[in-house]
Amino acid sequence: DSGVTQTPKHLITATGQRVTLRCSPRSGDLSVYWYQQSLDQGLQFLIQYYNGEERAKGNILERFSAQQFPDLHSELNLSSLELGDSALYFCASSVLGWGAAGYTFGSGTRLTVV
Amino acid sequence: QQQVKQSPQSLIVQKGGIPIINCAYENTAFDYFPWYQQFPGKGPALLIAIRPDVSEKKEGRFTISFNKSAKQFSLHIMDSQPGDSATYFCARITSKLTFGTGTRLQVTL
Repeated sequence: DSGVTQTPKHLITATGQRVTLRCSPRSGDLSVYWYQQSLDQGLQFLIQYYNGEERAKGNILERFSAQQFPDLHSELNLSSLELGDSALYFCASSVLGWGAAGYTFGSGTRLTVV
Repeated sequence: QQQVKQSPQSLIVQKGGIPIINCAYENTAFDYFPWYQQFPGKGPALLIAIRPDVSEKKEGRFTISFNKSAKQFSLHIMDSQPGDSATYFCARITSKLTFGTGTRLQVTL
């Protein structure tokens, strides 16, 4: 157990729908990062939050949004889902922001859009 | 660009062999170069990392070699075991953590 908890582990939904993925960071970690892993795109950085504030954005679609709550857990919202959004979504956490090597990943949420 | 190019895409070695995975990067800043190991159904886990002012780092059977002038770094796994079968990602940390494309390693008996 890495200490980073992601729920749900699996999610199957239809095109056009909206889903929310949840991440609880490791105790003491202030930063949360979201990554998308697909066969053709590899591990792509989506967005980072640090202590409740958005810190960096990567290749995140406008249909996707995220937030980090006061208790530091984070949610990734995916809307108007398309078949191509099917992927593994990973959350990672670290004590600080970028520049530190201690990124701990959760086990991911496998999203299947049908 | 902060791309990391990784090769090979897949690798099969016999138990006891020494698989070598190579990565190349563009541009230079104060980077940090970690390697991640990922098993099926799991998230990537930090395996070993190296700073650009170090040419080699060894942790157990895993060794990173870093060639700053060539902008290349590689992972060697000594005395590989079937349990090492996984996907390995090189990465770089500048203003964000950027992954290579991954190498699927299979260690056969």
